[in-house]
Amino acid sequence: GAGVSQSPSNKVTEKGKDVELRCDPISGHTALYWYRQSLGQGLEFLIYFQGNSAPDKSGLPSDRFSAERTGGSVSTLTIQRTQQEDSAVYLCASSLNGRLGGELFFGEGSRLTVL
Amino acid sequence: GQQVMQIPQYQHVQEGEDFTTYCNSSTTLSNIQWYKQRPGGHPVFLIQLVKSGEVKKQKRLTFQFGEAKKNSSLHITATQTTDVGTYFCRTSGTYKYIFGTGTRLKVLA
Repeated sequence: GAGVSQSPSNKVTEKGKDVELRCDPISGHTALYWYRQSLGQGLEFLIYFQGNSAPDKSGLPSDRFSAERTGGSVSTLTIQRTQQEDSAVYLCASSLNGRLGGELFFGEGSRLTVL
Repeated sequence: GQQVMQIPQYQHVQEGEDFTTYCNSSTTLSNIQWYKQRPGGHPVFLIQLVKSGEVKKQKRLTFQFGEAKKNSSLHITATQTTDVGTYFCRTSGTYKYIFGTGTRLKVLA
């Protein structure tokens, strides 16, 4: 597609439920990043993919969080047994090649609200 | 580990005044990027600096990379209401690029 696409744009869930957030990066971009942004706060790094591999998972807050990327394209961020503190905007970004740096292109984000 | 401090955290200016935000790293950087996030929006890339002492301009915006490649600044001349938003630096040491804490700019008309 023309840009990074994320879905859903908004998700309201009950505490304890699982959620899946999807990111469709720009075609041809090998690097994909997930960030979390709480209201009025900065960008918290969650995970980075180069192709289908995730060399850096250090940002995942707990073992309730997991992510995968298939076919070097779409990525899914899964949060199990959601907690209220998981409420935030989850931003996905892609770039041409993560190893060489380069511009990040962000999606519009998925706003998660845990009741 | 690498730490990135961005100051100030908030800045309110009158329209027409200048604005500067600073990004400071504890380690030497290979490059630095700047992003702008409008309220309710997502971060948008502004520029990347690579060379020691590099200065780049985009209309009213001036970006500098320090000689030691540990700090950078973004200066806006004669702010406009369209400059409102949060400005983030993004630093690199390895592929794990780190975003600064951001400076939230409010422009009063």
